[in-house]
Amino acid sequence: NAGVTQTPKFQVLKTGQSMTLQCAQDMNHNSMYWYRQDPGMGLRLIYYSASEGTTDKGEVPNGYNVSRLNKREFSLRLESAAPSQTSVYFCASSETTGGSYEQYFGPGTRLTVT
Amino acid sequence: QKEVEQNSGPLSVPEGAIASLNCTYSDRGSQSFFWYRQYSGKSPELIMFIYSNGDKEDGRFTAQLNKASQYVSLLIRDSQPSDSATYLCAVKGWAGSYQLTFGKGTKLSVIP
Repeated sequence: NAGVTQTPKFQVLKTGQSMTLQCAQDMNHNSMYWYRQDPGMGLRLIYYSASEGTTDKGEVPNGYNVSRLNKREFSLRLESAAPSQTSVYFCASSETTGGSYEQYFGPGTRLTVT
Repeated sequence: QKEVEQNSGPLSVPEGAIASLNCTYSDRGSQSFFWYRQYSGKSPELIMFIYSNGDKEDGRFTAQLNKASQYVSLLIRDSQPSDSATYLCAVKGWAGSYQLTFGKGTKLSVIP
């Protein structure tokens, strides 16, 4: 039982390049989330998916797109990377049907945009 | 705008002492409250959660909730150097919301 997995662990991009961050969970959770964490800013929600087939914007969605591929997988895409997107990105999942809504996090992707 | 406030610290306590971490929240309709531990360079790890007013104990950890005063706290008894980490408070809002709002965290340092 791996929990929440993310790939890649590290990535360096040049300004304007694109990439997709992958996330998968094996806990059969309904909801999945993408956060970024920056020094002094805490965890900020980028996008979330309450259930398979739905996605919604969080606090800081600009510059990102997401796809809920199936119940297990939720990807985050940067179409044209900018230095302001240098951050640590965490994926999380939670059970939201009769559950307690606690979120479980993946190990993170450390992204640097030069 | 929902806000969750934590003292950024660092909070330093000697080994074996009780560490007390506090969190206040602005949304009076908040329903569930979570404490996460995050070691440097690692992802947040759930320690415990609490829904009802009062105390909830799990091993050396006790979460305390006071909805009237809109604060939640985490006590760590018999603190160990391995408890040195940043502790994040998270709050879930109204019944139909899935989102958690996180505080910026309190850095705890346990001195041997």
